[in-house]
Amino acid sequence: DTEVTQTPKHLVMGMTNKKSLKCEQHMGHRAMYWYKQKAKKPPELMFVYSYEKLSINESVPSRFSPECPNSSLLNLHLHALQPEDSALYLCASRGQGKGSYEQYFGPGTRLTVT
Amino acid sequence: EDQVTQSPEALRLQEGESSSLNCSYTVSGLRGLFWYRQDPGKGPEFLFTLYSAGEEKEKERLKATLTKKESFLHITAPKPEDSATYLCAVGGGGSEKLVFGKGTKLTVNP
Repeated sequence: DTEVTQTPKHLVMGMTNKKSLKCEQHMGHRAMYWYKQKAKKPPELMFVYSYEKLSINESVPSRFSPECPNSSLLNLHLHALQPEDSALYLCASRGQGKGSYEQYFGPGTRLTVT
Repeated sequence: EDQVTQSPEALRLQEGESSSLNCSYTVSGLRGLFWYRQDPGKGPEFLFTLYSAGEEKEKERLKATLTKKESFLHITAPKPEDSATYLCAVGGGGSEKLVFGKGTKLTVNP
């Protein structure tokens, strides 16, 4: 099973709201990722967690706050977002070890900031 | 700096008309070249990983090949359900990052 799940599927929030995106995988993967994707563009890396520790932050604004409560879960906390943050937010995970470099993506959360 | 260029940007085929998508890359220490399929509004679906020049992988009507400078995704006798954006990405060195191309949008008309 190579399934990554994300909730919610759609989210509409105002600029003063606080919301969270959730991601879950049960493949035993120890690397998890958040990506942002705008229309007709490739995914853009935001954060990487490796063994539940933040290993890469691609200079993402502090209004995005990632959290990895355990090896299966990844959250992205959102606060005071701007309309330009509207996008498809993708979670991905990857196995460890040689020959396990491919990332498996979830279905995404479509975020609209009003 | 690792780079990936995909061509063409868009491709229209008739059902049954075979063709190829190209992915040219430069990377320091190739860890893997990855092909994904993405339908509108959905997450990318993993198709193939290629690790070394000369490697080939197949899945149904798709066949991916790899040389030292480029990869091809061959589509044989495509069907309308093959319509999607196909993304190519490379992983290099010890980095966790994937470098994506901009994708090729494939449309297969019945």
